[in-house]
Amino acid sequence: EAQVTQNPRYLITVTGKKLTVTCSQNMNHEYMSWYRQDPGLGLRQIYYSMNVEVTDKGDVPEGYKVSRKEKRNFPLILESPSPNQTSLYFCASSLYPGVGAEAFFGQGTRLTVV
Amino acid sequence: SQQGEEDPQALSIQEGENATMNCSYKTSINNLQWYRQNSGRGLVHLILIRSNEREKHSGRLRVTLDTSKKSSSLLITASRAADTASYFCATDADGNKLVFGAGTILRVKS
Repeated sequence: EAQVTQNPRYLITVTGKKLTVTCSQNMNHEYMSWYRQDPGLGLRQIYYSMNVEVTDKGDVPEGYKVSRKEKRNFPLILESPSPNQTSLYFCASSLYPGVGAEAFFGQGTRLTVV
Repeated sequence: SQQGEEDPQALSIQEGENATMNCSYKTSINNLQWYRQNSGRGLVHLILIRSNEREKHSGRLRVTLDTSKKSSSLLITASRAADTASYFCATDADGNKLVFGAGTILRVKS
């Protein structure tokens, strides 16, 4: 089954404690991205990756890091989380970027930073 | 920045009725997509319409695109309780990303 898998689904952490949210896709997609979703603000792109070892900033990259060492994995790293990073996070992948290809989304990670 | 803006923000209808949601965008597009999101879950792709298409159907879904008005509509016919979800349009502000609107929350009462 074609899918994007994110882990964990729920995470409560304390300010400053480094964390990683994993994302893996099994569709051999070139393009992967991370979004955060906040009430009233919709989905905003954090980072994206066009291919292995190619990553770039989205609209709200501050406080986040990513890596793309393998095609299937695209982890999101918060080096020093802060309460304003409390949000619902989604990883997505598609065959190529833009609206020409269907994007597949993970089930989401609800992060709370206290 | 948001490219697509959905209207209305929220919609409540009875089961069996039709639901219409609209999306307006600001700049020229190549394609437009609609997605559904069940509460707190990941988005699911519904339909893609290209800029040279005016209408597209998929089951109970009908999407129209009017590039002269920079708008699209999503019609769900004979709605069911399971259609209760948020619906988002997505456009391509540049070639590398989907840009989503704030969404329409649809509630279908049984």
